Parts: sequence; C-alpha cells; structure tokens
Amino acid sequence: EAQVTQNPRYLITVTGKKLTVTCSQNMNHEYMSWYRQDPGLGLRQIYYSMNVEVTDKGDVPEGYKVSRKEKRNFPLILESPSPNQTSLYFCASSELGYEQYFGPGTRLTVT
Amino acid sequence: RKEVEQDPGPFNVPEGATVAFNCTYSNSASQSFFWYRQDCRKEPKLLMSVYSSGNEDGRFTAQLNRASQYISLLIRDSKLSDSATYLCAVNPSGTYKYIFGTGTRLKVLA
Repeated sequence: EAQVTQNPRYLITVTGKKLTVTCSQNMNHEYMSWYRQDPGLGLRQIYYSMNVEVTDKGDVPEGYKVSRKEKRNFPLILESPSPNQTSLYFCASSELGYEQYFGPGTRLTVT
Repeated sequence: RKEVEQDPGPFNVPEGATVAFNCTYSNSASQSFFWYRQDCRKEPKLLMSVYSSGNEDGRFTAQLNRASQYISLLIRDSKLSDSATYLCAVNPSGTYKYIFGTGTRLKVLA
C-alpha cells in the first residue's frame, strides 16, 4: 500500500529537549516536505527536499532542521523545542509539481 | 496580500445543494493547482488536481481562471459526507514550494 508514515503520532515534551519526528514514504517520490498546521494559519511549509541531500527552507524554518540521507526518509528535528512549536505536523511526498500525499500527522505539545 | 487566499466560511448548505468555493493566488506564473479535502485534524487528501482546461470528477468540478488568478471548486448534489474543510494549494512556477490556503469549511445540513 502506497503511504507516508510518521512517528510518533502524539508527543508531549518539555522546552529544550531535543526531539525527532520521523517520516518515511514507499512511493519512491523525489520530493518530500514538512508542514505545520495551526488554527487560522493553515498549512505552512517548514522545509522541503527535492532529492537526497538536497533540502531548502520553506516559509517557517526557524527552530527546525531536516536531513535527507535516503530517498524514503525525511526526519524533522527540533534541537531545542519551545512552546510556540506546539502544533500539528504533517509530512508529505510527491513527484515534483504533482499532488502531495500526506502522512497521518504528529500532534506535538511543548510545555 | 497573502499568496493564496480562501474564504474560511463556514458554508452551511442543505443536502442536495450546489456550492462553490474560490481560491485566489497572487503569483501569476503559478503552474500547478490542487484541491484537498481535510477532515477534522486529519491529513489532507487530494480531491482534484486543477488543469487549465478544467476537470470534473463525479459531483466535483474544478476550474482555473488565469486572467483573474483564481481556482474554483463546485460541488453538486451535496452529501452530508461532503462536510469537511477544503484546502487549495498552489505550486508557484520556478519554485519548489507548495503554498496552501487556510481552507474553506463546508457543513452540509440534513
């Protein structure tokens, strides 16, 4: 089954404790992306990757890091999470310029 | 002006009604357009890609108006199950970004 998976689905953590949210896709897509979704602000792109070892900033990259060492994986790293990073996070993949397929989401709370 | 704008709604319509949403975009060179459906706090799922010639899938029709820089989504014979938030997305030409609107909420009433 073609899918994008994310882990964990729910995470509660404290300010400053490094965390990683994993994302994996099995569709051999070149393009992968991370979004955060907040009430009233919609989906905002954090980082994206056009291929292995090629990443770039989206509209809200501050406080986040990514890496793309393998085509199927695109982890999101919060080195020092802060409460304003409490959000619903989605990973997505696609062929470039085509429709994106989203993972089920990760609900992150930073206290 | 936001790059992609949608009326947040909610649009409350009776079952069987026809409803239309618009989504305006600011980058005139944008090439790829999409409509997604999102149920409460779940992942967005593709509803339709929007082609220059327009496209139809059952009760759903999407149109692109390049002159006025908007895309539209028409839903005919609304069902209770159509209640959701509808997001438009644009891939501006020359970029690798996807820009999403904040979504339009639809409630279909029995």
